Amino acid sequence: EPEVTQTPSHQVTQMGQEVILRCVPISNHLYFYWYRQILGQKVEFLVSFYNNEISEKSEIFDDQFSVERPDGSNFTLKIRSTKLEDSAMYFCASRVGRALAQYFGPGTRLLVL
Amino acid sequence: SQQGEEDPQALSIQEGENATMNCSYKTSINNLQWYRQNSGRGLVHLILIRSNEREKHSGRLRVTLDTSKKSSSLLITASRAADTASYFCATDPYTGNQFYFGTGTSLTVIP
Repeated sequence: EPEVTQTPSHQVTQMGQEVILRCVPISNHLYFYWYRQILGQKVEFLVSFYNNEISEKSEIFDDQFSVERPDGSNFTLKIRSTKLEDSAMYFCASRVGRALAQYFGPGTRLLVL
Repeated sequence: SQQGEEDPQALSIQEGENATMNCSYKTSINNLQWYRQNSGRGLVHLILIRSNEREKHSGRLRVTLDTSKKSSSLLITASRAADTASYFCATDPYTGNQFYFGTGTSLTVIP
């Protein structure tokens, strides 16, 4: 069964460094998402992406964040200058169309020191 | 906030018992989805119920939706130790392309 994959599974970085989190959505899906979950808290929406552009973003998704779909398979989240409070689990998700189920990847655990 | 709330926050039951979790939300929705998350792991999609549906079944799962009360419930029948996880509802709003997750119910099934 196809699934969303994410790499790396864990990343440790120094404050101020740039990180790129990678996702490979399910191949026939058209809508892509990034979420984060700070330890012990709820899952928070960051950004949605459709037709090669951001369709919606939350207030968390500030100028330090960017997303890209550089080729037909990868979907990346870049944090330009990480802060301690960016430490969280980051989930990628995708779905075929609006109003359908979203399927989540296993997540990348980011730790900013 | 458009995000939902689940209750209870934590639930502990004996294996074989039924577990019921509730979710309330605030916006008009296309559908509502339930997810399971094992500790430190990703989110697994369980079931989707559309705004024009009132009840849906999938195996040992039964979901209800009351759009007039903006609430949903997830019932897990004949629970197993492997059902121990956190359960989240997520609303797919009528407008926009965000997903709003609730605060989650932590379920412990005691063997």
